[in-house]
Amino acid sequence: GENVEQHPSTLSVQEGDSAVIKCTYSDSASNYFPWYKQELGKGPQLIIDIRSNVGEKKDQRIAVTLNKTAKHFSLHITETQPEDSAVYFCAASRSSGNTGKLIFGQGTTLQVKP
Amino acid sequence: DTGVSQNPRHKITKRGQNVTFRCDPISEHNRLYWYRQTLGQGPEFLTYFQNEAQLEKSRLLSDRFSAERPKGSFSTLEIQRTEQGDSAMYLCASSPSGESQETQYFGPGTRLLVL
Repeated sequence: GENVEQHPSTLSVQEGDSAVIKCTYSDSASNYFPWYKQELGKGPQLIIDIRSNVGEKKDQRIAVTLNKTAKHFSLHITETQPEDSAVYFCAASRSSGNTGKLIFGQGTTLQVKP
Repeated sequence: DTGVSQNPRHKITKRGQNVTFRCDPISEHNRLYWYRQTLGQGPEFLTYFQNEAQLEKSRLLSDRFSAERPKGSFSTLEIQRTEQGDSAMYLCASSPSGESQETQYFGPGTRLLVL
């Protein structure tokens, strides 16, 4: 069935360092890959997304890369700040002719130490 | 605030009781999703509405669960005869039609605790 694997489950970095989170997906028909940030007691907040016709996308300190052949995508956060500390989820969906339901990874708890 | 809203934010109930949650999507978003999230896990898809039509239900949605979206605007999720295993965060998301239909915006969730 559809599955998304996410690694690592926890990540601790020093403020100013970079953080990388990786995901792999099983459904080769997936064509949309969002990343969400979830703070304690809150709903997931979309931070960046990428579609399968693009290999890389950047938004300030955040970038996402996609390798369709290998079926994996990654989130890169540069110059990390303490406020980046949260749980990050990757997800995958196939939008065409489909409901667009998201299949989520298990989450990565990112801790940025000041 | 024009985001997705959910009520109540927290619900504590006793096993066997019925509970109902409400979701108000972003205005004019015709696609609405319900997800369930247990501690330490990613959200899991429960059901999907396009306007008032419920077009997909997960196998996770047992016959004790029912969702409605009667006028294609707000949605309700009801759990009958709650069990301790129903304790979770219930998340609602909405997305627009058209080019950005894949982009789902989540509400703050309703945290359910079944005693």
